[in-house]
Amino acid sequence: AQSVTQLDSQVPVFEEAPVELRCNYSSSVSVYLFWYVQYPNQGLQLLLKYLSGSTLVKGINGFEAEFNKSQTSFHLRKPSVHISDTAEYFCAVSDFTGTASKLTFGTGTRLQVTL
Amino acid sequence: NAGVTQTPKFQVLKTGQSMTLQCAQDMNHEYMSWYRQDPGMGLRLIHYSVGAGITDQGEVPNGYNVSRSTTEDFPLRLLSAAPSQTSVYFCASSYESTYNSPLHFGNGTRLTVT
Repeated sequence: AQSVTQLDSQVPVFEEAPVELRCNYSSSVSVYLFWYVQYPNQGLQLLLKYLSGSTLVKGINGFEAEFNKSQTSFHLRKPSVHISDTAEYFCAVSDFTGTASKLTFGTGTRLQVTL
Repeated sequence: NAGVTQTPKFQVLKTGQSMTLQCAQDMNHEYMSWYRQDPGMGLRLIHYSVGAGITDQGEVPNGYNVSRSTTEDFPLRLLSAAPSQTSVYFCASSYESTYNSPLHFGNGTRLTVT
């Protein structure tokens, strides 16, 4: 069975500082990886996804993530955060044979950006 | 373009009551699903549907029923509400049930069972 671990439940950071949100996964087969963002009182929306090819994936709002197969990680990064990036971020994994029905989410990381 | 619409936004139920959470999408998506979101537990899949007339169970289906009579609608029924079902419920849809189709989420229904 696949699983996702987000090691940090909360990450406080000052505006314009860099940030990294960590995600590790486990799966017995090849996987597809996603980051979703949830702004307050809203549903989730897709930030970026890794399906194949280049291990560095760029998403919306200046975020990027790097797939590392040997470390089974898919950490999310942004070089300079803005107040508007304050949100909860979810890492998710879908298995190779899978459908969206097999999308497994992590427990989320709350990013709090302050001045 | 409305996307995925969930109603109601908030609901309070007494233990044992029944209710239906509504979900509708106007994107002609084949795949629809229901998740519940609880603090510290992320999102967990309750039920999903890959097309009209086809439904299947997810990770936490007990206490919930679904049906899919049309492509657009995917209601979630609580037959006899329990306090353990207090949660935020999200409906999500995608073009097809593959890894390559991102999920589109509604804004959620916050349910409290007393």
